Amino acid sequence: AIQLTQSPSSLSASVGDRVTITCRASQAISSALAWYQQKPGKPPKLLIYDASSLESGVPSRFSGSGSGTDFTLTISSLQPEDFATYYCQQFNSYPQTFGQGTKLEIK
Amino acid sequence: QVQLVESGGGVVQPGGSLRLSCAASGFTFSSYGMHWVRQAPGRGLEWVAFIRYDGSNKYYTDSVKGRFTISRDNSKNTLYLQMNSLRAEDTAVYYCAKDYEAYCGGDCYSWVDCWGQGTLVTVSS
Repeated sequence: AIQLTQSPSSLSASVGDRVTITCRASQAISSALAWYQQKPGKPPKLLIYDASSLESGVPSRFSGSGSGTDFTLTISSLQPEDFATYYCQQFNSYPQTFGQGTKLEIK
Repeated sequence: QVQLVESGGGVVQPGGSLRLSCAASGFTFSSYGMHWVRQAPGRGLEWVAFIRYDGSNKYYTDSVKGRFTISRDNSKNTLYLQMNSLRAEDTAVYYCAKDYEAYCGGDCYSWVDCWGQGTLVTVSS
């Protein structure tokens, strides 16, 4: 199975900061990567698909980039509602797999 | 809008069985592949299984192969997960999730775009 490694595992930041989360795949997955946001007690929410396509309704401060094995999720200016846990997921092959998550906390 | 409502969770002893259901509405269920994803308490997301829109192909994560079976009834707009030989490490919230791409088959791979609220399965003696 393809392993996804996210970094950092946790991150403290302030409202207005620019934040970048990295996801590295154990083998090339083209652009078959999605990003999700999850808040406590809630299901995940799709943010980005195909590595860089913004899901409808998601604020433009979220962006994704990368292909092959290295991917990033960037939040250009953190808002209070962005403090959550973020996961990457590969859908290049089965079994699909998730990264271990990055918890974004308020500094 | 898309609605996915899981049911069937509960407490079961190790070695026991449980069947989860997911009632789908708000979209043409028979056109979309469906996933089960789980999340152990305080842990990250783990993809569990997928079934193509017509049930022709099924995929599982290694840790549940031979114990879990994903199935669907397109006439009832319902997805199932039969879980046998349950272990303590299967304790988790189980989410039903919809695949993005309609009629995704063969070499088509797609992502999850909608999730249910989840149902908690606890395996404990």
